Amino acid sequence: VQLVESGGGLVQPGKSLKLSCSASGFTFSSYGMHWIRQAPGKGLDWVAYISSSSGTVYADAVKGRFTISRDNAKNTLYLQLNSLKSEDTAIYYCAREYYGYNYFDYWGQGVMVTVSS
Amino acid sequence: DIQMTQSPASLSASLGETVTIECLASEDIYDILAWYQQKPGKSPQLLIYDASSLHTGVPSRFSGSGSGTQYSLKINSLQPEDFASYYCQNGLSAPLTFGSGTKLEIK
Repeated sequence: VQLVESGGGLVQPGKSLKLSCSASGFTFSSYGMHWIRQAPGKGLDWVAYISSSSGTVYADAVKGRFTISRDNAKNTLYLQLNSLKSEDTAIYYCAREYYGYNYFDYWGQGVMVTVSS
Repeated sequence: DIQMTQSPASLSASLGETVTIECLASEDIYDILAWYQQKPGKSPQLLIYDASSLHTGVPSRFSGSGSGTQYSLKINSLQPEDFASYYCQNGLSAPLTFGSGTKLEIK
């Protein structure tokens, strides 16, 4: 199992960014996937979930601003980040759900998003 | 939202010692709880799920226990690779909340 995030970088407040997570080593279409973030020096903060059938759930802090999606043909998970705020600055990890449960058994290496003017 | 209160925030211990980390949920989470280990600069790794089930490949010196709102992670005979940060996580319902973490350092 391998998860590789990309698309991070420095962005101004109010702007947008799209993160990708390329999956391999398992049947991507069969698993729900999550995005979890970690602000510098802080703890873990769950962001969003997409089921194998593309149902979605969001944390209140990002609802209406972030959109999780998936392309099973490309084995890729996405997170569209709009209306970014300084408090969105964090390492963003994609993670696989553990066999239909709300746990995370494989994580990517993470991608840094910095929101600053 | 279910709040997860983890203690202590930091812990200093010696090689070979046994340590326990506690996690208190704001409501009954029916053992739907996980523990993760995170080393500096690395992604978290799943250690324990369903409060007491050891994830594949995790050494048996790690164990989890608890029920209702109170849970704990115990590490027996600390090894050098165990010095890391540990997080509990509510898996019962969204939002999937984490404890604030425990940093385990070498004494």
